[in-house]
Formats: sequence, structure tokens, C-alpha cells
Amino acid sequence: AQSVTQLDSQVPVFEEAPVELRCNYSSSVSVYLFWYVQYPNQGLQLLLKYLSGSTLVESINGFEAEFNKSQTSFHLRKPSVHISDTAEYFCAVAPNTGNQFYFGTGTSLTVIP
Amino acid sequence: DVKVTQSSRYLVKRTGEKVFLECVQDMDHENMFWYRQDPGLGLRLIYFSYDVKMKEKGDIPEGYSVSREKKERFSLILESASTNQTSMYLCASSSLGGRASSGGYTFGSGTRLTVV
Repeated sequence: AQSVTQLDSQVPVFEEAPVELRCNYSSSVSVYLFWYVQYPNQGLQLLLKYLSGSTLVESINGFEAEFNKSQTSFHLRKPSVHISDTAEYFCAVAPNTGNQFYFGTGTSLTVIP
Repeated sequence: DVKVTQSSRYLVKRTGEKVFLECVQDMDHENMFWYRQDPGLGLRLIYFSYDVKMKEKGDIPEGYSVSREKKERFSLILESASTNQTSMYLCASSSLGGRASSGGYTFGSGTRLTVV
């Protein structure tokens, strides 16, 4: 069975400060890992993903996430946030077999001017 | 640009009405999913389908049914709407599992349903 835990439900941070959104997972099989972002009143958009290879993956808007197999974590980071980063962020895992993804409960990131 | 399209962004329905939420994808994906999203609860899977005319219950199927007559269309049906079904409903699609699923889900923009 798979499960995803996002440890922080809300994260307020000042503009231009760094941020880390935490994600831990459990799985009995190998998984693919994803971060999705949801802006207000919109659906979820893929932010970045880890499939294999380098454990550090980056998005086009400055976010990065590092896969840590020993700690079963996939934390999302950004060194300097902008007002436009205010959104809900979801971590997800997909077993490398099967059809279903498993989502965390989300972290609401609020960037304060 | 590939898309998952949900027919309505906002709906208001009365208690007891039968409600249809439609979702269409143009990516030839095998898998389609319906989630509801509520504050503090994240995404909860209602039903999913991995092929035409196939359906599987998710975590919270009670009060809902689905229909998948064509590969590109997956409908969610609220047989008799109740106020506790007021929520944001998200449709998603993906390729078959395994390596094919590595593209992730593609989500629609969501339907915010209010039952009064």
C-alpha cells in the first residue's frame, strides 16, 4: 500500500524568503514522485517530477525537489519566493505498477508582501 | 495543447436533483479519475476507470455513480444531490500504469458544485 504525508497544512512565508514544503511517502514498491500546484479556482498543474536518475529535479519557475530514498522524502524547495507562488501544493506518488496515483492532503503556501 | 475539459466551472443544484458532471480528454488516455476536493481533506478519489465501460470504486463512492461509454468521456453522476456533496470536483486522466504513468495526471479546471 502507498501513502503520502504532507507535514504542514499551511506555510506562511515572506516574499523573497526561502521555503521548504515537506513530503514523505511510504510504499512497498518503487514509485514515481510528483509535485502539483493549484492556483485559486483552478485545477492542479504538474510542477515537477522524479522518475529516475538524478535525485534533484527542477521546475521552470525556480522550484526544486530532492528524492531521498533512505528517508522516503521528496521535499519541495525554493530559495526565494514571489507573491505569485501563493497556491496549494500537492505531493503525489505513483507506483511503477498499477494505474492509481496517491496524493497528500496539500500544503497551502501563502507569500506575504 | 492537450486538455481535460470539464463542462461546467460552477453549478448550483437543489437537494434531490440528479446531477451530471462531464469530463472529456483529448489525449487518448486509458485512465480517467474523479476526485472531490474539500478544505483540510485534500483530494479524495470517488471513482476511476481504466477502460471503456470499466469502473472501479475509489475511497468515497457512496452517493455517486459513473459512466464511461467512450474512451474520451467520463461522467460523474450524483443520483440525488445532497448538501454534503457541495465541493470542488476534479477530473483527471493518465496513460496506463507503469512507465506509461510517468507523465503524471492531467487535470481539468474543476467544477465547483453547490447543493442548496
